[in-house]
Parts: sequence; structure tokens; C-alpha cells
Amino acid sequence: DIVMTQTPSSQAVSAGEKVTMSCKSSQSLLYNENKKNYLAWYQQKPGQSPKLLIYWASTRESGVPDRFIGSGSGTDFTLTISSVQAEDLAVYYCQQYYNFPLTFGSGTKLEIK
Amino acid sequence: QVQLKESGPGLVQPSQTLSLTCTVSGFSLTSYDVHWVRQPPGKGLEWMGGIWGDGSTAYNSALKSRLSISRDTSKSQVFLKMNSLQTEDTAIYFCTRNSGGYYSWFAYWGQGTLVTVSS
Repeated sequence: DIVMTQTPSSQAVSAGEKVTMSCKSSQSLLYNENKKNYLAWYQQKPGQSPKLLIYWASTRESGVPDRFIGSGSGTDFTLTISSVQAEDLAVYYCQQYYNFPLTFGSGTKLEIK
Repeated sequence: QVQLKESGPGLVQPSQTLSLTCTVSGFSLTSYDVHWVRQPPGKGLEWMGGIWGDGSTAYNSALKSRLSISRDTSKSQVFLKMNSLQTEDTAIYFCTRNSGGYYSWFAYWGQGTLVTVSS
């Protein structure tokens, strides 16, 4: 199974600040045939279902604000929120869809100071 | 628009079988996959398994011996059955739809249904 490791487990930032969170996979998620990274990011607000933010490691889902930026390749990935808003309070999960079983990271909880 | 809604018993006794239904709308089950993902209270997400548009299935090996996913395309419903439930199976169970393709992300999620395993 591909193990997804997210760090930090939680972080607190003030509104307007930039925040980055890391996701590392135990094997490469880059498929050489199409040069795509099989990684997605989700946001889960308290009491809600997860919401898709990013797929192919860096493609923003329609309607997702452009302050959410996905980057990285291979085994190292980053989700950046360029200017955190109060409504970004949530847990953020990465997920690989390169291989079965599909696996998620343990999440990064974002708290707003 | 695409919608998924889970339904089932909120409480199941230990050693019993869990049966959940995911009723979908806005798309055809023969064109997209539907998967089940669960989340123990306060914890992370676990992919359980899925059923593809062609009716084939895949399961998380950790659950495979206890889990079955099936569907009724005429009713736009996907079913989850898991036997020998234990307290650690207490979780919110979500059904999700992927975006298309065999290897894909989860584009749509149901609201989830909380299942508590307790006597």
C-alpha cells in the first residue's frame, strides 16, 4: 500500500498569512506515460463532507479560489494557501489515486488565530 | 446536478451486518464509479471499496473478507454490506463519485451517515 504522510498535523495562522502543508508518498505518484501526478487534495470543514480542491497535484477544481495552490511531483507535494481566510478553517487531506488501495494522508488541521 | 445520499441504520450491534444504500442522481451508474469511504469520529479517511461503471468491484484488502459492494442501476442505488461489525467500525460512511476513468479522484461526496456499533 502507498503510505501518505502529511505534516504538520496542525497549524495555526492569522488571516491574511500564507500557509503551506506537506504531503509525502511512500512511492512516486508520477506516471511516466502521461507525466501526471496522481494526487488530489481535499478540504473538510467541521461537520461537513470532504470537498475536492486540487487534482493532478496542481489542477484546481472549478470554483475553488485561486489562493489554493497545489505543487510538487514524484513523492513530495505541497498545498499552499496564499492568503488564509477565516473560512479556510478545516482539515486538509491528500489522497493518491495511483494505485489500489486508494489511500489518504492523516490530514493537516488548519486553525485560525 | 450530481447528488449522492447515504441511508441506513444509525446503530448496529456488534457481530451483526451493516447494510447501507447510496442513492444517486444526476448521472448514470453505468458511466461512473461509486466508492465508499469511511471516517471514524475525529479521525482520518479510509477508502473501503468501489464499483465501476462496468459493474466490476475493488476492495481495500483490510476489509475485503467482510465487505461487499453491489448496485441496482434501475434504481440508481449502490449498496454496501459489511459483516462481523466491531466497535472500531463506528464511523461516518460516505459514498463518493469519481470524476471518470479507472484511476481518479473523488469529485462528489454524499453528506455521510453515522453508524455506531454498540450493544
